[in-house]
Amino acid sequence: EAGVAQSPRYKIIEKRQSVAFWCNPISGHATLYWYQQILGQGPKLLIQFQNNGVVDDSQLPKDRFSAERLKGVDSTLKIQPAKLEDSAVYLCASSLGRWETQYFGPGTRLLVL
Amino acid sequence: AQKVTQAQTEISVVEKEDVTLDCVYETRDTTYYLFWYKQPPSGELVFLIRRNSFDEQNEISGRYSWNFQKSTSSFNFTITASQVVDSAVYFCALSVGSGGGADGLTFGKGTHLIIQP
Repeated sequence: EAGVAQSPRYKIIEKRQSVAFWCNPISGHATLYWYQQILGQGPKLLIQFQNNGVVDDSQLPKDRFSAERLKGVDSTLKIQPAKLEDSAVYLCASSLGRWETQYFGPGTRLLVL
Repeated sequence: AQKVTQAQTEISVVEKEDVTLDCVYETRDTTYYLFWYKQPPSGELVFLIRRNSFDEQNEISGRYSWNFQKSTSSFNFTITASQVVDSAVYFCALSVGSGGGADGLTFGKGTHLIIQP
């Protein structure tokens, strides 16, 4: 069974530019999550989708971050404009349902200069 | 609000030694799940175990064992006869139940485990 796919794996941008990350969850997984992991810390939840609806986006900086999950499968996370403090690894995870175990993708490593 | 504390920032042991990683959690919810994930140098988080709040049975899987104690809000992880391949950052995480299902994970800061040959 294929795991969670993410692209790109690495991205370097200048501050104030925009960037987008893509995630393809494990087939059949209804719940999708985006986490931000700053170097030396544990991942922090940004947003949680159930199918194509948002369950929790309380920790998403909505002035610059947006995410969508059209058709309840793939998802994109966008940052516009990026700040230096957005440098982190962005992890996507999926689970069969909200009570099930989350499985993580390889992450996208973002560096903002 | 939920909180997970992993007080050990880094542990270094020699191969074949046993090592225990500590995890203490805080939540007011009665329904919750506890997890351990491994993050090797490649960066991908690998799921190790999930335990729900109503199941305090300890679990053993090969060289790995987990001790869940609600009385002390702890969910500790022991590796027996450690190997160099066990070197990684290990995260403890908590998920609580809310309307319709469980929320996203709250992670600790992780413990960097170094196994020296």
